[in-house]
Amino acid sequence: DIQMTQSPSLLSASVGDRVTLSCKASQNIYKYLNWYQQKLGEAPKLLIYYTNSLQTGIPSRFSGSGSGTDYTLTISSLQPEDVATYFCQQYNSWWTFGGGTKLELK
Amino acid sequence: EVQLVETGGGLVQPGRSLKLSCVASGFTFSSYWMYWIRQAPGKGLEWVSSINTDGGSTYYPDSVKGRFTISRDNAENTVYLQMNSLRSEDTATYYCAKDEGGPFAYWGQGTLVTVSS
Repeated sequence: DIQMTQSPSLLSASVGDRVTLSCKASQNIYKYLNWYQQKLGEAPKLLIYYTNSLQTGIPSRFSGSGSGTDYTLTISSLQPEDVATYFCQQYNSWWTFGGGTKLELK
Repeated sequence: EVQLVETGGGLVQPGRSLKLSCVASGFTFSSYWMYWIRQAPGKGLEWVSSINTDGGSTYYPDSVKGRFTISRDNAENTVYLQMNSLRSEDTATYYCAKDEGGPFAYWGQGTLVTVSS
């Protein structure tokens, strides 16, 4: 089974900051990597699919990159509404999620 | 507009059974694989089961294999999750999801299952 590890588990940042979240797979997942945002009490929402494709309706301040085993979600300028937990998910072999990064305002 | 509405959650004793339903609308249900994904309180997400378009192929992780069964009724636009021999570790919010060729693009609001005596 492919394991997904996200870091950090908790991230504090200020409005306007550039924020980078990391996700590492236990083996090569060939860019089959998605990112989700989950706000408190809500279902997850798809942000980025296939490493770097922005889902319709998602602000352009969100972007994804990576290859092989290492992937990144970047928020170019943090907004208050971005406070949430972010999950990565691989779909190269079955479907596995990372443990999440909780993003809060400093 | 795609909508997924889960029902059937509740409090159940360990060892008992529960059946969840997810009614879909806003898309051609019979053309898409469907999924169940769960989230234990305060924890991460775990894929629980998948079913192909005609219901002929189903998939499960080891944590639920042999206890959970996914099925679908394309005439009723509904996917089900039959959960048997429930354990305390099955306590979670269960989400129904639809993919878009890979990512889980649409999710229901979830239904809470609590396994406790």
